[in-house]
Amino acid sequence: AQKVTQAQTEISVVEKEDVTLDCVYETRDTTYYLFWYKQPPSGELVFLIRRNSFDEQNEISGRYSWNFQKSTSSFNFTITASQVVDSAVYFCALSEAARNTDKLIFGTGTRLQVFP
Amino acid sequence: EAGVTQFPSHSVIEKGQTVTLRCDPISGHDNLYWYRRVMGKEIKFLLHFVKESKQDESGMPNNRFLAERTGGTYSTLKVQPAELEDSGVYFCASSPWRNYGYTFGSGTRLTVV
Repeated sequence: AQKVTQAQTEISVVEKEDVTLDCVYETRDTTYYLFWYKQPPSGELVFLIRRNSFDEQNEISGRYSWNFQKSTSSFNFTITASQVVDSAVYFCALSEAARNTDKLIFGTGTRLQVFP
Repeated sequence: EAGVTQFPSHSVIEKGQTVTLRCDPISGHDNLYWYRRVMGKEIKFLLHFVKESKQDESGMPNNRFLAERTGGTYSTLKVQPAELEDSGVYFCASSPWRNYGYTFGSGTRLTVV
């Protein structure tokens, strides 16, 4: 069965600290996609990144970086030099490409609070 | 481009009443999805439209929920009759292609009292 685990319920850091949000997934498929979404206080879910199962290269986008490791079934998200505007709930999600739909299986989310 | 629009943003109804949620996807997005987050739990899939057809409705909790997508444009999600456990935030999303990454709306917060 597919499952996404975000073990960190809430993380608090002070501005400029680096922070890593963990994501561990379970799937029996060999082809799948992993996503991260951000939910700021305004409520909408904002797409951050998509990674397919055949691409294990790490990705960096500004202060954001993602570490995908199939060996440990993890897709962790790091924010470097965090800012107050990074405060949000972050969701990791999985979809399986072999199915007739790309429905997402979400983790329970990690609430990040960045204090000035 | 305009994003995914959902309304109402909030709805408070009594148990047994009917509520209809609406979603306007991004123009040209064939794929439209409904999800919901019940209090304290994870966001769960409800259903997926491709144009006007239901591609997957395996997440619909029961027959009190009815989703439609008229002419492959906007979609409605009707709950009739509403029960207390239907309270939560209902998200709509759209995407031009599968596994591309959705654009979500801001959600409708439904409270059944």
